[in-house]
Amino acid sequence: KNEVEQSPQNLTAQEGEFITINCSYSVGISALHWLQQHPGGGIVSLFMLSSGKKKHGRLIATINIQEKHSSLHITASHPRDSAVYICAVAPREKLTFGTGTRLTIIP
Amino acid sequence: EPEVTQTPSHQVTQMGQEVILRCVPISNHLYFYWYRQILGQKVEFLVSFYNNEISEKSEIFDDQFSVERPDGSNFTLKIRSTKLEDSAMYFCASIGIYNTGELFFGEGSRLTVL
Repeated sequence: KNEVEQSPQNLTAQEGEFITINCSYSVGISALHWLQQHPGGGIVSLFMLSSGKKKHGRLIATINIQEKHSSLHITASHPRDSAVYICAVAPREKLTFGTGTRLTIIP
Repeated sequence: EPEVTQTPSHQVTQMGQEVILRCVPISNHLYFYWYRQILGQKVEFLVSFYNNEISEKSEIFDDQFSVERPDGSNFTLKIRSTKLEDSAMYFCASIGIYNTGELFFGEGSRLTVL
């Protein structure tokens, strides 16, 4: 069983839609990261969470430590949000990554 | 905005050759990492480096791999004798001096072993 599970694996939505990507993990963690991987392969850190909720622009990330679950939300989605979104958890220094959610926003 | 830079962006090599991938972390960062991503697969941790020594490594990081910080700015990953299965995108990342945990990734180096 994977330590980090993401859903859905692929998501296609119309521009403007509210997007939710889910991440469940099975190990104890000190932090959870949401990352964005662009089509060219580069990775950008979006959030690091250890509890509660964080917001940055149109992106919102939440985590429920008891349920070992996190969600990434995108409000008013835009075609430039099209990317792979990766959840990664940090039991210690090494990160364990999910397989990613490929998001495509259609104009 | 400060960034992590990696070179080369793409390297093609013959099996059995040595490869060195270079990373210049953000200048005041102290914690450094190498990750790899085989095409179509998830990102995997290779090694973490702090205070000029390896702090943790994965089972992937065998004797064929080594890391060093030769001059206080560059952070290198060396693969001594490349295998076909080493073909992947290799990412360098670093964390800042206060270890807030936010990771800064480089753009990656794509290694193709023929």
